[in-house]
Amino acid sequence: NAGVTQTPKFQVLKTGQSMTLQCAQDMNHEYMSWYRQDPGMGLRLIHYSVGAGITDQGEVPNGYNVSRSTTEDFPLRLLSAAPSQTSVYFCASSYTGQGSYEQYFGPGTRLTVT
Amino acid sequence: AQTVTQSQPEMSVQEAETVTLSCTYDTSENNYYLFWYKQPPSRQMILVIRQEAYKQQNATENRFSVNFQKAAKSFSLKISDSQLGDTAMYFCAFMKPPGKLIFGQGTTLQVKP
Repeated sequence: NAGVTQTPKFQVLKTGQSMTLQCAQDMNHEYMSWYRQDPGMGLRLIHYSVGAGITDQGEVPNGYNVSRSTTEDFPLRLLSAAPSQTSVYFCASSYTGQGSYEQYFGPGTRLTVT
Repeated sequence: AQTVTQSQPEMSVQEAETVTLSCTYDTSENNYYLFWYKQPPSRQMILVIRQEAYKQQNATENRFSVNFQKAAKSFSLKISDSQLGDTAMYFCAFMKPPGKLIFGQGTTLQVKP
């Protein structure tokens, strides 16, 4: 089991560029989500998905798009990067059935927008 | 909307001693979960302990335990016999099933030898 994987680990973008952060999990989890972590703050929810074909907005969705075509993958797209999107991005997954609801986090992607 | 507040930005403790990290939250929900996550310098998010709101008994995981006061909306983490490896940032988090986590601002814990 690889768990939750994220690529790339580091990325530098210029303002206005677009890119996709990749997230994959091999635990057959229905629920997947993206968070961003800024200095001195906790993680904030960007987008989430409760299953393939279903996505919804979180707390800070502006400037980001997601899609969920398979259970395993949940990519995050930055449409036109801005310096305010400089952050560390975490992907997480969990079961949605009754249970512990423990979320498993990926290692994070550090993104810098210049 | 739910909010989570951690009022201690930084704390320190001597190795082998006990430390308590505070967390309060605000919600009108009745069914929810509370978590403490640890984030060491590697930045990996690691689940420390979890509490279901419908359970009155406080959760315990080895040296880690919580004091869950539902009426007061308080969820503190006690770390006993602190070890150098406990040095990390600790986040309290609220979750309404099935999975939207709301995090506090975090507490940086330094364990001193």
